[in-house]
Amino acid sequence: QSALTQTPSASGSPGQSVTISCTGTSSDVGYYDFVSWYQQRPGKAPKLMIYEVTKRPSGVPNRFSGSRSGNTASLTVSGLQAEDEADYYCSSYAGSNNPVLFGGGTKVTVL
Amino acid sequence: QITLKESGPTLVKPTQTLTLTCTFSGFSLSNNGEGVGWIRQSPGKALEWLALIYWDDDKRYSPSLKPRLTVTKVASKNLVVLIMTDMDPADTATYYCAHNSPYYYNGRGYYYRYFDYWGQGTLVTVSS
Repeated sequence: QSALTQTPSASGSPGQSVTISCTGTSSDVGYYDFVSWYQQRPGKAPKLMIYEVTKRPSGVPNRFSGSRSGNTASLTVSGLQAEDEADYYCSSYAGSNNPVLFGGGTKVTVL
Repeated sequence: QITLKESGPTLVKPTQTLTLTCTFSGFSLSNNGEGVGWIRQSPGKALEWLALIYWDDDKRYSPSLKPRLTVTKVASKNLVVLIMTDMDPADTATYYCAHNSPYYYNGRGYYYRYFDYWGQGTLVTVSS
């Protein structure tokens, strides 16, 4: 069982928006501004999509956005495209003793 | 441009020790603030963090796997080595190394904020 909780699946039609959530605790997601999101296409390595809750690395489309409310972080993909179909993992810093937490992943399907 | 690549055996027997190497370019583990992490993913499962090693030779391990893990670096050769003992079929996974975000942020040190570059991964199967 992963330390961060994600809903297993989400879907949307092309052009629609989909939001996936990541729930942690007041000791990780709710405390540190270090929530990140990774996209993983089948057979590929994860790719950083969002870091520090809301920031996008260079080259990531602005259709991807991150937010947080309390102990739950969210990733929203607006204007869904077929290429957005992938697994998405959240991650959070959790302090020096166990610094890296991952969520269980959410499979996003573009209908 | 930062790149990383994992290498090692594709098949190990139960109880054996796994040694994986991460060879990287585009940064130096001799430089202040740099770090490399190891993450694995069992088939069809989620990502699982294993270990982190930093420029100053500080190391962090997943608490659940700490007794079995050792991570070392050879900064002069741009490589990091992960050793996992007492391998079990449950350790069958794709193992990734990744470049860690800079340690210092806003004047403070943080062991992890994000992994910005990942290797392609290497599949290790544990079977007799």
